Amino acid sequence: GAGVSQSPSNKVTEKGKDVELRCDPISGHTALYWYRQSLGQGLEFLIYFQGNSAPDKSGLPSDRFSAERTGGSVSTLTIQRTQQEDSAVYLCASGLAGPDTQYFGPGTRLTVL
Amino acid sequence: GIQVEQSPPDLILQEGANSTLRCNFSDSVNNLQWFHQNPWGQLINLFYIPSGTKQNGRLSATTVATERYSLLYISSSQTTDSGVYFCAVESGGSNYKLTFGKGTLLTVNP
Repeated sequence: GAGVSQSPSNKVTEKGKDVELRCDPISGHTALYWYRQSLGQGLEFLIYFQGNSAPDKSGLPSDRFSAERTGGSVSTLTIQRTQQEDSAVYLCASGLAGPDTQYFGPGTRLTVL
Repeated sequence: GIQVEQSPPDLILQEGANSTLRCNFSDSVNNLQWFHQNPWGQLINLFYIPSGTKQNGRLSATTVATERYSLLYISSSQTTDSGVYFCAVESGGSNYKLTFGKGTLLTVNP
């Protein structure tokens, strides 16, 4: 079956612009995660959605970052007023509820000039 | 939070050789996964192994939860095995987030 998909695969933006990154999870997966991978910080958790519950935003680095998940499926991560330190690969993962296997998408490489 | 240490950080092998990658973690875990990150950056699931032993072809993994470590074995390595191998753990709490180690960079030469 189809895996996790993300778009765009690459995004180049200028400092101060807003960007939106999209994630389509595996059908039937109720849990959705955003992580980012950067040279200095490795792979780090950003936000977690489970079904219709309020998201766990404990990993978001600043209030410029927000995410939503519509209809329990597609998720959008928005970064406002991008900064150069936001440059990273943003990875989305989905899974079943609870401590189960997480399946990762191919990522979006964000470059802020 | 939980700490995850992987060793060695780098490993260079000749094709056909065997290798063992190690992951130590600082607390009990509910979830442990091994991933292979290919040259295009995709994280490929290798094993979901919070405890016990699993095998998949030339790869196998063992987690000894009581001693807080996991091992990934690669036998008869191939050039396509090259890439970064990550161990990630989930240690409880309400969000099931994975905490990743820094990875082992494996290079398999022909």
